[in-house]
Amino acid sequence: DADVTQTPRNRITKTGKRIMLECSQTKGHDRMYWYRQDPGLGLRLIYYSFDVKDINKGEISDGYSVSRQAQAKFSLSLESAIPNQTALYFCATSGGQSYNEQFFGPGTRLTVL
Amino acid sequence: AQSVAQPEDQVNVAEGNPLTVKCTYSVSGNPYLFWYVQYPNRGLQFLLKYITGDNLVKGSYGFEAEFNKSQTSFHLKKPSALVSDSALYFCAVRDYDAGNMLTFGGGTRLMVKP
Repeated sequence: DADVTQTPRNRITKTGKRIMLECSQTKGHDRMYWYRQDPGLGLRLIYYSFDVKDINKGEISDGYSVSRQAQAKFSLSLESAIPNQTALYFCATSGGQSYNEQFFGPGTRLTVL
Repeated sequence: AQSVAQPEDQVNVAEGNPLTVKCTYSVSGNPYLFWYVQYPNRGLQFLLKYITGDNLVKGSYGFEAEFNKSQTSFHLKKPSALVSDSALYFCAVRDYDAGNMLTFGGGTRLMVKP
């Protein structure tokens, strides 16, 4: 969905480095989410935010942190990257009358060497 | 906690034939069920959802899904497959125990061959 953008699209980094993945949305949604996708495991929720002052841990939050800088921006940080954080990361939003439906960004492919 | 299972890692179908991608669910209370599709190098796209009402739900791109309460299933179907339907399909359920988040199945890769 072009209304949800993620940067960078691809990133290769080394073990121990700090990295930030950014997500922006123009849908005006109040809810934003970060997922990681691993083969055979589907998508697993890392963190979610229902508004700027609300941050919640998901299923697999260890090793990650987030910041909701504005309603439209939600960033994911890996403080000290490790190889098993190599995955495809997706940001998603929901809100308004379609809060049951989530709209996904194109994903960031992260490789930790 | 709510959960969904997609028992098939991959489904192979010939173009023009009907296709079914299976999903079973486990929920306490009324299920809210979803199907998403992921094309290569793209994010997930919403296909359809079941919240209440008719057991047959129609969605995007000619897909439909049948909710079966007795079998706790929500299989995705299409009467005539297209090569362009080849993608990764995810079933999801809204998890009341986790802030109404979506819990996803592991995904099923659909391969439609000409």
